[in-house]
Order: sequence, then C-alpha cells, then structure tokens
Amino acid sequence: QQQVKQSPQSLIVQKGGISIINCAYENTAFDYFPWYQQFPGKGPALLIAIRPDVSEKKEGRFTISFNKSAKQFSLHIMDSQPGDSATYFCAAGSVNSGNTPLVFGKGTRLSVIA
Amino acid sequence: DGGITQSPKYLFRKEGQNVTLSCEQNLNHDAMYWYRQDPGQGLRLIYYSQIVNDFQKGDIAEGYSVSREKKESFPLTVTSAQKNPTAFYLCASRNRGQETQYFGPGTRLLVL
Repeated sequence: QQQVKQSPQSLIVQKGGISIINCAYENTAFDYFPWYQQFPGKGPALLIAIRPDVSEKKEGRFTISFNKSAKQFSLHIMDSQPGDSATYFCAAGSVNSGNTPLVFGKGTRLSVIA
Repeated sequence: DGGITQSPKYLFRKEGQNVTLSCEQNLNHDAMYWYRQDPGQGLRLIYYSQIVNDFQKGDIAEGYSVSREKKESFPLTVTSAQKNPTAFYLCASRNRGQETQYFGPGTRLLVL
C-alpha cells in the first residue's frame, strides 16, 4: 500500500515534443504529490507539486495532472528541451501526518534529443 | 547560504571498514532522512529522524547506523555488515507540517 509505481523507466523525446511520465499510488491517505528532477551526480530538486484538491497544476512548461478517483498523477513537459534531460521522480506523502517520509517512484530517465 | 551539506563528495571504503557520511542542515528543519540510490532502483529510505535523539529504520536499514544528537546533524555510518555499500547516498530534510523536502548534493561511496 505504500508503493508508488512510476512509468516509463526511460523516455526519449524529440526537442519541442511533449514528455509524459505517469505515477500511480494505492494509499488513499496520501495528500501531497511532488515531482523531483535530478541531474547526474546531483541531489534531486523539487520541480512541481500538487495537493488532491485540484486536478491540474501548471508552472511554466511543467504540468501535473491528478486523477483522485484513479489514484494516478502525471507530469507533462511541454516543448521539451535538451536541458530537460534528467531523471524524474514522482513521490507521495501525507503532510497532515507530520514528517513521515515521502514514498518515491523508481524514476524515469528522460532524454530530449535535437 | 542556507541548505543541506553532505561530505565528502566521494568516499572510498576498504573491506571490513566502517565509514561515516556527514549531513548538516541550517534550515532549522525538524526531520532528516537518508536515502540510498542505485541505478534503476529509485530512492530507498535507510533511516529517518523526526526529532532530536530519535530515529526510525527505513526500508533498507540493515548494515547502517545513525545518530541525531543535534537538530542540524544526522550522520550515517555504513558498517562492515553492509556487504554491497557502493551507491549514491542522499540526505534530505523537511520541516514539520510543511510540504517541501530538500535534498543535499549526495555522497558517492565506492569500495576499494
């Protein structure tokens, strides 16, 4: 019940295309869903996050779509650029239950090619 | 300059040796976490601490130990019992009731 399943494991997208990464969770107590971006040899950095009271959140070229009934959420990267090439992790957690650890997906390695 | 610092950036361990990875934060965060990252395995939780002088095991605690004597520090010891320690180790912190979890830059541990 604590798992977050992320797909695909790797993704190759043409420059200017749309990158889509999907995650699914089981624990209905989760109320916080962040996405992290990690470049090689660096620590992950928060990219964008959503709470379940909205179905979509957009920040620049990055959008999270959230489907509460299906217990799924996805990251869309519009107009993908070579600089977006990185590993992306989805996560889920419960802010209201204190500082219990976030549960992370296994990551998606995105390559944007010119 | 606020944030999380991890040292060293690279660490080499000999067989049978214990090594300690440092993690310091000046964000005044209550909770701190240690993750291990292996290719294709994502981020696996080793230990976490929600308050000073208290910590809990994560999913892969065997072969590791921690202490939390100060709010800003959460060192991780990789003991000789950890038979496959080669990995990228990430420290993170978060404040009580707040959403964002911040990560340090990581320490890469290699076995000689």
